[in-house]
Amino acid sequence: EIVLTQSPGNLSLSPGEGATLSCRASQSVRDNYLAWYQRRPGQAPRVLIYGASSRATGIPDRLSGSGSGTDFTLTISRLEPEDFAVYYCLQYGDSPLTFGGGTKVEIK
Amino acid sequence: QVQLQESGPGLVKPSETLSLTCTVSGGSLSNYYWIWIRQPPGKRLEWIGNIYYSGSTNYSPSLKSRVTMSVDTSKNQFSLTLDSVTSADTAVYYCARGAGWLPDNWGQGTLVTVSS
Repeated sequence: EIVLTQSPGNLSLSPGEGATLSCRASQSVRDNYLAWYQRRPGQAPRVLIYGASSRATGIPDRLSGSGSGTDFTLTISRLEPEDFAVYYCLQYGDSPLTFGGGTKVEIK
Repeated sequence: QVQLQESGPGLVKPSETLSLTCTVSGGSLSNYYWIWIRQPPGKRLEWIGNIYYSGSTNYSPSLKSRVTMSVDTSKNQFSLTLDSVTSADTAVYYCARGAGWLPDNWGQGTLVTVSS
């Protein structure tokens, strides 16, 4: 199965700053079927990005996904208060689907 | 907007069967995959498997021998059973809708503890 490694594990930033989150796969993700999710405390995870770079409905353009093959990035250009949360990547190109360990973005 | 809600016992004894149901509101089961995912305490999210509305299933190899998923289109529900549970099955269990295999709408999750 494909192992996804997210880095960093924790990110301490101030509102208005930019954030760069990484997700590295142990082998190439088929058709770049890589998604990013956000989970806020007490809420259901929500999909932000799918297909490595396509924004889900309602996701602001200050969030963007990039990458291909084994290296993927989620970029948040200017952190808003609602962006402080945990982010997960998921590869859904091969069974079993697998998730990264998560990156927690917290307020500095 | 479709909403999903997990329900079932929060405590299951070792060696018994865990059973959860996901009720879907605001949309039909038709033409979608329906997915179960779990997260044990301190561990990463784990895909358990999916079931198409027609009933065809795909399970994680690590759980395949113990998992059964089913759909009930008349009730707009789908279900998960996991046999012979141990403490390693203690987790928050999520149900989700799949756009293809991509989970695009999730329930809030329900904690299931395996303990005597």
